[in-house]
Amino acid sequence: AQSVTQLDSQVPVFEEAPVELRCNYSSSVSVYLFWYVQYPNQGLQLLLKYLSGSTLVKGINGFEAEFNKSQTSFHLRKPSVHISDTAEYFCAVILISGYSTLTFGKGTMLLVSP
Amino acid sequence: DTGVSQNPRHKITKRGQNVTFRCDPISEHNRLYWYRQTLGQGPEFLTYFQNEAQLEKSRLLSDRFSAERPKGSFSTLEIQRTEQGDSAMYLCASSLEQQGHEQYFGPGTRLTVT
Repeated sequence: AQSVTQLDSQVPVFEEAPVELRCNYSSSVSVYLFWYVQYPNQGLQLLLKYLSGSTLVKGINGFEAEFNKSQTSFHLRKPSVHISDTAEYFCAVILISGYSTLTFGKGTMLLVSP
Repeated sequence: DTGVSQNPRHKITKRGQNVTFRCDPISEHNRLYWYRQTLGQGPEFLTYFQNEAQLEKSRLLSDRFSAERPKGSFSTLEIQRTEQGDSAMYLCASSLEQQGHEQYFGPGTRLTVT
């Protein structure tokens, strides 16, 4: 079975500072990787995904993530955060082969202060 | 494309009562998923439909839970004899069969059992 570990439950950061949210996964077979964002009392919105090709993927709102197969990581980064980026961020994986559902990490709360 | 919608958005019920939630997927999507999200956790898979067929159920889905998708369009999730432990956000997602990894989430139904 696959699993996702988000090492930080909360990441406080000042506005305009860079941020990295860490994600590691475990799976015996190949997976696709995703980052979702959840604003208070809302559903999940896809930020970005890695399916194949370049290991650096760019998403919405200026976020990017890098897939590192050897370290089984998919860390999310943004060079300069805004107050509006305050939200919960979830890393998720899905098996490439056949039917599968998303397996999520526990989430990282990004707290951006002025 | 109006997105995935869920009703109601909030539900407060007393322990022992039955509740039913509805999910309307994106119109051309033939796959529909239910997830449950408790406080401080990422979403966890409950069940999945392809058209009207329920193809998989998680061990999280006790006998008190039942889901239907009668005409392969909208879906309902019913919880009988609710318990306080059922308090959670119930999320619905949909996708095309050919793009099962591209799941689009609704806003969720927050259930509070008192």
